[in-house]
Amino acid sequence: QSALTQPASVSGSPGQSITISCTGTISDVGGYNYVSWYQVHPGKAPKLLIYNVSERPSGASHRFSGSKSDNTASLTISGLQADDEADYYCASYTATSTLYVFGAGTKVTVL
Amino acid sequence: QVELQQGGAGLLKPSETLSLTCDVFGGSLIGYYWSWIRQPPGKGLEWIGEINHSGRTNHNPSLKSRVTISVDTSKNQFSLKVTSVSAADAAVYHCARRGPAQSFDSWGQGTLVTVSS
Repeated sequence: QSALTQPASVSGSPGQSITISCTGTISDVGGYNYVSWYQVHPGKAPKLLIYNVSERPSGASHRFSGSKSDNTASLTISGLQADDEADYYCASYTATSTLYVFGAGTKVTVL
Repeated sequence: QVELQQGGAGLLKPSETLSLTCDVFGGSLIGYYWSWIRQPPGKGLEWIGEINHSGRTNHNPSLKSRVTISVDTSKNQFSLKVTSVSAADAAVYHCARRGPAQSFDSWGQGTLVTVSS
């Protein structure tokens, strides 16, 4: 069982916006702004989309945005495109000895 | 743009030792922590541990007793060993660089590790 809770799947039509939630505790998501999001296409290396809750690394699309409220972080994909069909994982630094925890992943389907 | 290239055996028998390497191209080991992360089939990602260029390590307590992470600065490479593997260790193993704000900003392509007698 993953430390962070994500919905198993989210779907949307091209052009729509979708949001993926990531729920943790005060020891991880709620206690730090060290939340990051990753996109994983099958057989490919994960790609960093968002760090520090809402910062985008250079090269990441502006269609991806992040936010946080209490113990829940969210990733919003705007203007959904076919290539956005992938698995998305959240991660957080944690005050426990584990140091870093991840969600189980959310499969995004573009209808 | 740093590139991480993984190597190592992907098929093991129970009780054997898993050994993986991660070569870093286009960047230095200095100034960063370098992690190993795995994903069992159908499950989420699990952080295994990390090392910096001087050999300082941090480990996930759930695996610490069986895990060794080492660094070879002459080769710009870091490595993972997991002893006494079992079916529970079957996973895709990734190496990654810890970047800004405790994120992982560069990843290796992943190595599928299968444990079967």
